[in-house]
Amino acid sequence: QLQLQESGPGLVKPSETLSLTCTVSGGSISSGSYYWGWIRQPPGKGLEWIGSIYYRGSTYYNPSLESRVTISVDTSKDQFSLRLTSVTAADTAVYYCARHFIQPWFFAYWGQGALVTVSS
Amino acid sequence: EIVLTQSPGTLSLSPGERATLSCRASQSVSSSYLAWYQQKPGQAPRLLIYGASSRATDIPDRFSGGGSGTDFTLTISRLEPEDFAVYYCQQYGSSPQTFGQGTQLEIK
Repeated sequence: QLQLQESGPGLVKPSETLSLTCTVSGGSISSGSYYWGWIRQPPGKGLEWIGSIYYRGSTYYNPSLESRVTISVDTSKDQFSLRLTSVTAADTAVYYCARHFIQPWFFAYWGQGALVTVSS
Repeated sequence: EIVLTQSPGTLSLSPGERATLSCRASQSVSSSYLAWYQQKPGQAPRLLIYGASSRATDIPDRFSGGGSGTDFTLTISRLEPEDFAVYYCQQYGSSPQTFGQGTQLEIK
């Protein structure tokens, strides 16, 4: 059974960089059929897609975050990572990693989520 | 980007009743690329419906989806206690993919 697990610091200072890693188990990140994505959810609010990456490195980002986001992949470790720069309190959220097909882009597998709080 | 508006914001019903949730898009959703998710407190969203009307793996048949263009619905035919949760729609027909703001289904 495919499993995804987010990891990273739970507290980040304003103006610094948020970094999270998603580790995939029960399947290979190098499977050619899927993209691997990040979605976030501020406390008590809805879901926002951040971006997605293919195992060969091609990426798609939400234009609203594109200037601050980098998603990368490490196929040797079956991991992909999120970097979000210049964070503010508005970036406080539960960050989920998830998998979707190359097409269509619905998310059938999700990690459990990681809460990241931006605060000094 | 396509904005999805879900209604009602909160729906109060009793177990055994029928629930109908609405998701309206600001533009036509191409190829009926619309999904529905269920989210319970402290959990990740769970895929229920994709392609507007196809049930995901292991989803009970009391859940059904319908609609096309700009108007979509999720129907739960007979509510079970475990169905009370927040439901989100997602369109993935155009980039960026977007989610609705959610409908809270609560026990009356």
